[in-house]
Amino acid sequence: DAKTTQPTSMDCAEGRAANLPCNHSTISGNEYVYWYRQIHSQGPQYIIHGLKNNETNEMASLIITEDRKSSTLILPHATLRDTAVYYCIVRSYTGGFKTIFGAGTRLFVKA
Amino acid sequence: DVKVTQSSRYLVKRTGEKVFLECVQDMDHENMFWYRQDPGLGLRLIYFSYDVKMKEKGDIPEGYSVSREKKERFSLILESASTNQTSMYLCASTHQGADTEAFFGQGTRLTVV
Repeated sequence: DAKTTQPTSMDCAEGRAANLPCNHSTISGNEYVYWYRQIHSQGPQYIIHGLKNNETNEMASLIITEDRKSSTLILPHATLRDTAVYYCIVRSYTGGFKTIFGAGTRLFVKA
Repeated sequence: DVKVTQSSRYLVKRTGEKVFLECVQDMDHENMFWYRQDPGLGLRLIYFSYDVKMKEKGDIPEGYSVSREKKERFSLILESASTNQTSMYLCASTHQGADTEAFFGQGTRLTVV
């Protein structure tokens, strides 16, 4: 599975868009990009995923570059409750499957 | 509502004890995973299983074993608990395939004294 690189921490003002970048330069053609977040003392929560097209759901948007070597998670109107650690991961099916998490980005949303 | 349930939220064990952490999912998922989470290190994969009685080592399997006798249950075993195994343990499950999200349990905070 490809490894990912994310900034350690980011700040965002409440009500503004939060843009969280992720590099996955060794991603291969069958690997999906997933985003999860973890609020303190809880298990990670799924946000969104994509293969090569941009995706949007009720929580966020995912922008994947054309070469698929990087992506950006966008929280369009960040709230204080979006303060969490955000993980970008890539995964592929290989008969079995494993999901490798990096250290993630700690997002602080400030009033 | 989908559920991944871990048997204990908090656990305190003594050094040298054999410890069982249980995880049950009710979504008929093929894949199940055990991670540990430590401050500054993110989630590290210990073991995973993609079918009953199948298991694969993750990145940090040393000191751990697993058991998957039934599809819905995946157990993590610490054969002889040590203080460096004090951690938060998270179980997850997914359907087979790359295009499916993972569901996580609430975590077990294990302290080995």
